Amino acid sequence: EDKVVQSPLSLVVHEGDTVTLNCSYEVTNFRSLLWYKQEKKAPTFLFMLTSSGIEKKSGRLSSILDKKELFSILNITATQTGDSAIYLCAVVKNTGTASKLTFGTGTRLQVTL
Amino acid sequence: NAGVTQTPKFRVLKTGQSMTLLCAQDMNHEYMYWYRQDPGMGLRLIHYSVGEGTTAKGEVPDGYNVSRLKKQNFLLGLESAAPSQTSVYFCASSYGDTKQYFGPGTRLTVT
Repeated sequence: EDKVVQSPLSLVVHEGDTVTLNCSYEVTNFRSLLWYKQEKKAPTFLFMLTSSGIEKKSGRLSSILDKKELFSILNITATQTGDSAIYLCAVVKNTGTASKLTFGTGTRLQVTL
Repeated sequence: NAGVTQTPKFRVLKTGQSMTLLCAQDMNHEYMYWYRQDPGMGLRLIHYSVGEGTTAKGEVPDGYNVSRLKKQNFLLGLESAAPSQTSVYFCASSYGDTKQYFGPGTRLTVT
């Protein structure tokens, strides 16, 4: 059975801190790994990772994938209160048809002043 | 572009009632999906469609039906609602085998 596990489940940090969110997976026919940010409504796309060792960056957020050890991390530096959200990791399988995602349960991040 | 839209935003049903959730996308995506999100469970795939007129079962399809009569719309039906179907429902779409774009969600409560 496919499995995506995120840790920690929740995290409270002070503004300005750096955080690292973890995502490990056991999925057959791995294709790619996606990170989403979910505030009050729809998950919004952050990164898609397909190759090991290549860091993706967007401002203060960065992510990297390790296909040998089957995990990914999402780093957020100089956190701001606007980073408070649930961060979801999802793994895409090679199915030959639609991209079927298996999601982790998410990490709830709260950034306080 | 409106992206992915869902109607209604909220709904309360009594056990045994039926309803249809509508998802629409204006990005000309071939693939569309319905998920439910429950506390501690993450997002789980209910049904999906790889094109107009086609549908397929996901991880948790029981109690739901879907239809894709037009490329831009994907309907999720509950024929006889049960309290276990209380959840937040998200629709998503994608162009081919790539990242999915999500709608704002429908919060459904079944009493």
